Amino acid sequence: TQLLEQSPQFLSIQEGENLTVYCNSSSVFSSLQWYRQEPGEGPVLLVTVVTGGEVKKLKRLTFQFGDARKDSSLHITAAQPGDTGLYLCAGVSHDKVIFGPGTSLSVIP
Amino acid sequence: KAGVTQTPRYLIKTRGQQVTLSCSPISGHRSVSWYQQTPGQGLQFLFEYFSETQRNKGNFPGRFSGRQFSNSRSEMNVSTLELGDSALYLCASSEPGQGFEKLFFGSGTQLSVL
Repeated sequence: TQLLEQSPQFLSIQEGENLTVYCNSSSVFSSLQWYRQEPGEGPVLLVTVVTGGEVKKLKRLTFQFGDARKDSSLHITAAQPGDTGLYLCAGVSHDKVIFGPGTSLSVIP
Repeated sequence: KAGVTQTPRYLIKTRGQQVTLSCSPISGHRSVSWYQQTPGQGLQFLFEYFSETQRNKGNFPGRFSGRQFSNSRSEMNVSTLELGDSALYLCASSEPGQGFEKLFFGSGTQLSVL
């Protein structure tokens, strides 16, 4: 059974702080995705990483894919209240997608 | 372009009833997939439809079914509702050839089973 684990489960920080959340898998997927979900809304795709060792940047967000393609991290620099939400990682194969349990981030002004 | 539209937004049912949820994908998207999200189990894949055919299926009982119409709109049906079916049901669509690589989610239907 393919599983994704995310840590930490909850994170509450002050505006301006940096943070990193992690996603670990027991299996290799063809790609790994990060989503952000705000209360009452569906997840919104932030990034897809495909190649082991890949690093992608999206403004203040930096995504890394592990060399073995089993783990990933999301680093946010100078967090803002607008970053508040549930961050989900998802492993994709040709016939399914598996989501991690998510990290709930709260950025306090 | 309009996003993925799900109706209704909220639904309250009692145990034993059945329910039908609707999803209209983004124009031009032919793949529609459904997910169940609960605090305990997180976001879980139910099934995927493409060109009116179920292409992939998650690990849910047969009470959960779906279909897709020729205009790519999709419906999901849950029969003999149980308390544990209370959840946010999300659908997502993707462009032809994208599969699960680039999903666009709707805002979901919040189902409460009493």
